[in-house]
This record gives sequence, structure tokens and C-alpha cells, in this order.
Amino acid sequence: SQKIEQNSEALNIQEGKTATLTCNYTNYSPAYLQWYRQDPGRGPVFLLLIRENEKEKRKERLKVTFDTTLKQSLFHITASQPADSATYLCALEVRANNLFFGTGTRLTVIP
Amino acid sequence: EADIYQTPRYLVIGTGKKITLECSQTMGHDKMYWYQQDPGMELHLIHYSYGVNSTEKGDLSSESTVSRIRTEHFPLTLESARPSHTSQYLCASSAVPGLVPIPTDTQYFGPGTRLTVL
Repeated sequence: SQKIEQNSEALNIQEGKTATLTCNYTNYSPAYLQWYRQDPGRGPVFLLLIRENEKEKRKERLKVTFDTTLKQSLFHITASQPADSATYLCALEVRANNLFFGTGTRLTVIP
Repeated sequence: EADIYQTPRYLVIGTGKKITLECSQTMGHDKMYWYQQDPGMELHLIHYSYGVNSTEKGDLSSESTVSRIRTEHFPLTLESARPSHTSQYLCASSAVPGLVPIPTDTQYFGPGTRLTVL
């Protein structure tokens, strides 16, 4: 069955450093992958989408890479800030345009 | 901020009660979804709809039912609530136009309803 693994439940990082989150998947070849941010008690908010034919996507301080050979996506936040503290979810399109979400990585940026 | 609303935000109710969780969006999106999320766990899709009069079951089996009589409204109903239904319920919508298999648009989520069944 489809499985998504996101590295470490929690990641603590010093303000100003680059945070790198990992999303690994098995048993599927998605056409694209999405990253969302979720704050406590709130619904996820879309951040970036990367397609299978794209190696890298950037948006302001965010960068996503997609390696379909390794079945892995990396999500980077450069110059991290305490306001970046949240849970970050990766999601794959499984079928019928529905998304399958990972459990997320809880990022804490320490001032 | 997405224009998708859920009420109530919090609900504590006794076993056996019938409940309806409301979800409305003002973006004119065709596709809508209901997810269930327990603390620290992934979102599980329980229902989705391609448009008016369309409802489909998701990957996670659920005793809840949904209806889609209007584009903007996608309520979820539990006929008889049980403690095992305690969870966070998240509604979402996207601009996917229908059954055409094209890459999906992004999903916009509501704030969620935290349901506790005693």
C-alpha cells in the first residue's frame, strides 16, 4: 500500500539556519507532490507543488526538490524564523486527484 | 486566508446523539473533501465530492455520511455518535473541475471541528 514517511517527528533548529525536511514514499509514482503547513488547531495551508518533471521549485525562502528515482522530496526553509515553527506535511496525489498525506514533521525554530 | 468555513469549531456531545458538521466554501470550487485527523497523526480522507449530487467514500472507512446539494455546502453527519468518533474533522475544497484526470489544484482547508464524544 502507499506509504509516506517524513523524517523525524520533530526538528529543532536555531534561528537563521536552514531547515531541511524529508519526505520519502513507496509503492507509487506520483505525478506531483505538495507541501503544506499546519499550525496547532488549524487546517493545513498549501505552500508549494512540484511536478515529476521538475527537479526544484522555489518560493521566497522555501525550496522543494523532487527526486523520482530516490522517491524523495526535500523541503528547505532558509534563514529560518521563529514564525516558521509549525508542522509541515507532504502529500502525494494517489488517485482520482485525491491527496495522501504524510504524518508531518514538527519544526521548532529557536530564537 | 482561504474562504472555507466550518462550524462548530468545537463540539462535546454524548454517545448516541446525531450530529452534523457544517462546511461551506465561497470559492466556487467543484471538489470538496472531509478528512479525519487524530493528534500527531496523518490526515485520512473519509469522503469527497466532485460536485453537486456527487459523493464518494475515501480511503478511511467512516460511519459518517455526507451530502452535496449545493456547490458551496458539504455537511457531514453522524447518526449516532460514539467515543470512537472523537477526532478532528477537516473540510477542504479544490478547483478540480470534475472527473477529468488532470493534475489537481491545491486544496484549501477549513479550520476544522474538534469533536469529543463522551
